[in-house]
Amino acid sequence: AQSVAQPEDQVNVAEGNPLTVKCTYSVSGNPYLFWYVQYPNRGLQFLLKYITGDNLVKGSYGFEAEFNKSQTSFHLKKPSALVSDSALYFCAVREYGGSQGNLIFGKGTKLSVKP
Amino acid sequence: EAQVTQNPRYLITVTGKKLTVTCSQNMNHEYMSWYRQDPGLGLRQIYYSMNVEVTDKGDVPEGYKVSRKEKRNFPLILESPSPNQTSLYFCASGARYEQYFGPGTRLTVT
Repeated sequence: AQSVAQPEDQVNVAEGNPLTVKCTYSVSGNPYLFWYVQYPNRGLQFLLKYITGDNLVKGSYGFEAEFNKSQTSFHLKKPSALVSDSALYFCAVREYGGSQGNLIFGKGTKLSVKP
Repeated sequence: EAQVTQNPRYLITVTGKKLTVTCSQNMNHEYMSWYRQDPGLGLRQIYYSMNVEVTDKGDVPEGYKVSRKEKRNFPLILESPSPNQTSLYFCASGARYEQYFGPGTRLTVT
């Protein structure tokens, strides 16, 4: 069965420092991996995806994520955090060849960036 | 503008009173889905639809119904709402590798 784990409920970072939000996954085949962000009182917005190819994926708002097949991880990163990055972040996975669009979401990680 | 719309955005109702949350997308997507979001549980899929007249259960379908009579619309129906259905609901539509989410409907059942 597919699953996604986000081991940290909350991540606290000072503005200007690098940030990492962790995600590990479990699928029986090749994974499609996604990061979404949810700002307060808003729906989820797509940040980036890994389908195939380069293990380092660049996305919106300066975020990037690194796919590591041996560690089954897809951690979200940003070199320099902004206060406006404070939000709830969700990792999601879909199995290659699985039902189109069906995603399994992690429980979310709240990112708090302090000035 | 490409978007997914939901109505209403906020709803307070009483146990047992039937309600419908509408969802509409203007991107001609075949795939649509409903999720509920609860603290500590993340997003859980309720129902999804691969195309018109094709719907299937997600992880938490109990107490919900859906229909897909037109490609753009995918309403969520609660025939007899109960307090455990108090939640934040999201509709989404999707292309192959990306889903677009509506703004959410906050439902409170008393």
